[in-house]
Amino acid sequence: EPEVTQTPSHQVTQMGQEVILRCVPISNHLYFYWYRQILGQKVEFLVSFYNNEISEKSEIFDDQFSVERPDGSNFTLKIRSTKLEDSAMYFCASTRRTGAGEQYFGPGTRLTVT
Amino acid sequence: GESVGLHLPTLSVQEGDNSIINCAYSNSASDYFIWYKQESGKGPQFIIDIRSNMDKRQGQRVTVLLNKTVKHLSLQIAATQPGDSAVYFCAENIDTSYGKLTFGQGTILTVHP
Repeated sequence: EPEVTQTPSHQVTQMGQEVILRCVPISNHLYFYWYRQILGQKVEFLVSFYNNEISEKSEIFDDQFSVERPDGSNFTLKIRSTKLEDSAMYFCASTRRTGAGEQYFGPGTRLTVT
Repeated sequence: GESVGLHLPTLSVQEGDNSIINCAYSNSASDYFIWYKQESGKGPQFIIDIRSNMDKRQGQRVTVLLNKTVKHLSLQIAATQPGDSAVYFCAENIDTSYGKLTFGQGTILTVHP
């Protein structure tokens, strides 16, 4: 069964450093998402991406964040200058259809900012 | 220092019992709902979904009920098993959006053998 994959599984970085989180969505999916989950809290939407551009983003997704689909398979989330409060699990998701379409989530990347 | 976080509702059941997990959603314009299961250290896993033009949908051992009048969603798990122990989240979506899911707080389900 196809699945969303994410690397690395755990990333430790110092405050102020740039990080890139990587995702490989399911191959025939067209819509891509990043969510985050701070420890013990609910999953929060960050950004959706379709047709090589951002289609929607949340208030969390400020100028420090960017997304890119550099080739036909990878989907990346970059945080330019990490802050302590960026520490969270980051989940990538994808779906074939927007709106009423099941989103498949990856296993997540645990980001720890020290 | 202190840890700050949400205290999730919890539900403890015995193996073989039926479980009911409830969720109040926030947006009356939402028209698609999903239940996800999240095991420790893993991403959310799809369980079942329902559109707003339905009030009930059944899957294998699971049933989702939707009450739009009071903006309430429930997940019923029949014959709960220890492998069902996880955090369960409801999520809502407005079909006109680009698929943004808004997640609820989550409920911790613990199944005792």
